[in-house]
Amino acid sequence: DVKVTQSSRYLVKRTGEKVFLECVQDMDHENMFWYRQDPGLGLRLIYFSYDVKMKEKGDIPEGYSVSREKKERFSLILESASTNQTSMYLCASSLLGTGVNEQFFGPGTRLTVL
Amino acid sequence: KQEVTQIPAALSVPEGENLVLNCSFTDSAIYNLQWFRQDPGKGLTSLLLIQSSQREQTSGRLNASLDKSSGRSTLYIAASQPGDSATYLCAVRGRGGGYQKVTFGTGTKLQVIP
Repeated sequence: DVKVTQSSRYLVKRTGEKVFLECVQDMDHENMFWYRQDPGLGLRLIYFSYDVKMKEKGDIPEGYSVSREKKERFSLILESASTNQTSMYLCASSLLGTGVNEQFFGPGTRLTVL
Repeated sequence: KQEVTQIPAALSVPEGENLVLNCSFTDSAIYNLQWFRQDPGKGLTSLLLIQSSQREQTSGRLNASLDKSSGRSTLYIAASQPGDSATYLCAVRGRGGGYQKVTFGTGTKLQVIP
């Protein structure tokens, strides 16, 4: 079974803090994704990566950065957290290439910025 | 730009009923469509994935169909149970704007009443 794990289920931070969200997958997937999920807006893609040290902006990259130093690990960084970044953050992974590309999700991190 | 719509936003049915959840998308140039289940405060669990060349996929009491030309997919749940209560999301992987692009609907929240 594919397993995607996220470092924290719940996180509370203060405005201006630097925040790191970690995601690890154990199925040797090339693709990894960070989404945020907000009521009424659905899931929105922040960044994705298709290889080590490679990254692409998604729909809402502003205020975020990412790091992929190892294939199994994809980190989302909030350089200076703001209250409008309070959200549920979901990490996902999939194989590279056309075809199946089934996405597997982690359990999510509920981030609250005060 | 791909848009994915799920109607209704919420649905309540008595236990034992067969039900259909709808997903529509505006751009038929897709690689695949995936149905997910999300329990409150949790990540997404993949239910079924239909490739663009397929018409349907089945898993247990679930059957998903795809009509690419009309931009529609349905998720059929047979003999619903209280444990089926969750939010169901569909996601479309498009070919335009980078093939990694996955667009999610905002979901249908299902409640099965015992």
